[in-house]
Amino acid sequence: RKEVEQDPGPFNVPEGATVAFNCTYSNSASQSFFWYRQDCRKEPKLLMSVYSSGNEDGRFTAQLNRASQYISLLIRDSKLSDSATYLCVVNRGDMNYGGSQGNLIFGKGTKLSVKP
Amino acid sequence: NAGVTQTPKFQVLKTGQSMTLQCAQDMNHEYMSWYRQDPGMGLRLIHYSVGAGITDQGEVPNGYNVSRSTTEDFPLRLLSAAPSQTSVYFCASSENPDYQPQHFGDGTRLSIL
Repeated sequence: RKEVEQDPGPFNVPEGATVAFNCTYSNSASQSFFWYRQDCRKEPKLLMSVYSSGNEDGRFTAQLNRASQYISLLIRDSKLSDSATYLCVVNRGDMNYGGSQGNLIFGKGTKLSVKP
Repeated sequence: NAGVTQTPKFQVLKTGQSMTLQCAQDMNHEYMSWYRQDPGMGLRLIHYSVGAGITDQGEVPNGYNVSRSTTEDFPLRLLSAAPSQTSVYFCASSENPDYQPQHFGDGTRLSIL
């Protein structure tokens, strides 16, 4: 299994649709999980952290399943402005700051396109 | 709030030239890092630093040098530019990368001819 794996998409959905992204990770020791959003030709920006009990922020819901080692992001009532690439980010789980990979692993992202 | 500031935003170089990409943050973050992003490759870590005076190599360090003389600044140096280094470069900082999100600069788009 790749360290962090996401479906690259693109996901093409109409406005108002509900869309879900999944992300799997390989290291069971990972403890921190994030979803970032990246607009075309822009920097990644934090969308939300993912907590063990799941968390919600408006139309966005994040879930963590440690047993199956995946996290999910659900977007309800999609808006045109939600069109972007969504990056799944997982910490390596190694509390030492050494190693060639650093501490965070970024997925390659899932592209979402919301159409009118 | 400035956050993470990268300069320049765009740069075109000739093969063999050297240059420095600047990165500064005003959040007093100890952890700073440099990534490159290429189509279909995602973000790849070049170098990172856990504090002033401490740097370490990431996934793709060859051809790049870094230094961290202050908490605020983390410049990335291209020693002898090659076309393979054409990419978008992002600098990021974090209070604690294991538990806190990273804040990214808005990127430097670099073309090597």
